[in-house]
Amino acid sequence: EADIYQTPRYLVIGTGKKITLECSQTMGHDKMYWYQQDPGMELHLIHYSYGVNSTEKGDLSSESTVSRIRTEHFPLTLESARPSHTSQYLCASSGNRAPYEQYFGPGTRLTVT
Amino acid sequence: KNQVEQSPQSLIILEGKNCTLQCNYTVSPFSNLRWYKQDTGRGPVSLTIMTFSENTKSNGRYTATLDADTKQSSLHITASQLSDSASYICVVSDNNNDMRFGAGTRLTVKP
Repeated sequence: EADIYQTPRYLVIGTGKKITLECSQTMGHDKMYWYQQDPGMELHLIHYSYGVNSTEKGDLSSESTVSRIRTEHFPLTLESARPSHTSQYLCASSGNRAPYEQYFGPGTRLTVT
Repeated sequence: KNQVEQSPQSLIILEGKNCTLQCNYTVSPFSNLRWYKQDTGRGPVSLTIMTFSENTKSNGRYTATLDADTKQSSLHITASQLSDSASYICVVSDNNNDMRFGAGTRLTVKP
């Protein structure tokens, strides 16, 4: 069982609100990732980080932002939530050596009304 | 077009039966291929990971095969159980460790 945590697990929020999805891992992994997944669809990478103060955008354009001030913490923020942001958000981290096994958190199911 | 294609999209089998899921990819240069199991509403959990030189790898009742020449992989599940009901995702990484995800196969095991 991987030590990677996400909170909240479920969030229902109104349009225009600012939200932060939390992700933390206790494995000392340098690399962390955020994915967005709609029901029945594949995961899409929206952000990743190779270490403290490193953040990059992924393949899928997202209005969210991330920060990496501490190794273990990789929060994702939406300044103004919209219904189009409704989705499942999965955080992951990967080991520091090949084959860079990736471990996923349980996900946050976000619904914007 | 997705660089990782999985089939079938969904599958229903009876408990105790075997099944095989397919993954075809075009990712190049190839580094490794992983199979994940994702329960509904949960994050994916790794089942197997195979590099170029590995043809088969087992994890309990799960056996993955890899043919790097034809760029195909399969996941065989033996003696299925109700708890095997989940989505199974194929992920292929290139030499830059960029990962490409398949859309998954949704497996339902019925009693």
